[in-house]
Amino acid sequence: GENVEQHPSTLSVQEGDSAVIKCTYSDSASNYFPWYKQELGKRPQLIIDIRSNVGEKKDQRIAVTLNKTAKHFSLHITETQPEDSAVYFCAASWLYGGSARQLTFGSGTQLTVLP
Amino acid sequence: DAGVIQSPRHEVTEMGQEVTLRCKPISGHDYLFWYRQTMMRGLELLIYFNNNVPIDDSGMPEDRFSAKMPNASFSTLKIQPSEPRDSAVYFCASRGQGASGELFFGEGSRLTVL
Repeated sequence: GENVEQHPSTLSVQEGDSAVIKCTYSDSASNYFPWYKQELGKRPQLIIDIRSNVGEKKDQRIAVTLNKTAKHFSLHITETQPEDSAVYFCAASWLYGGSARQLTFGSGTQLTVLP
Repeated sequence: DAGVIQSPRHEVTEMGQEVTLRCKPISGHDYLFWYRQTMMRGLELLIYFNNNVPIDDSGMPEDRFSAKMPNASFSTLKIQPSEPRDSAVYFCASRGQGASGELFFGEGSRLTVL
């Protein structure tokens, strides 16, 4: 089955700086890579995702990059703000049309943005 | 839609007792997932259903855990007998049949087994 590794487990940055979280996956059949944000005591929520036919995707201050050859994908947050403090999870799955395998999550990164 | 609805939000029970967690997925969603979250193991998939049929239950820890989905709008996760190591937050999530892979999570059920 799929195995997703995520680094670092904790990350502290100064407000306004950038944060980068990296993940690797094992199953070359995986083609869907979402990122979820979980605030303390809340549910995980999707913030951005990328398909394997795209190398990069951006949404305001958040971007995700994918290297299929190396089986790496990364989350980049620019101009970090205190409200970005949360646990971030990467995940991988195979998705085609309406069919999907289950999402396999990484172990999570606790991001703390220091004022 | 009110989103994925889970109950109870919090449950404190004693070792050996039966625990039943409940989930109502978003109407129209065909997939339902049960995840367990702990500090040590992160988010673990326990089981998922497609059109009410269990597809993969390989993540269910042992025979003490069972899950059912009798219809498209209701699922249960049962632990009998419960043990302290079952203490965790249990999330239910659903997704639709469309091209989006987004999972919509419920608020979770925090279980404490004393």
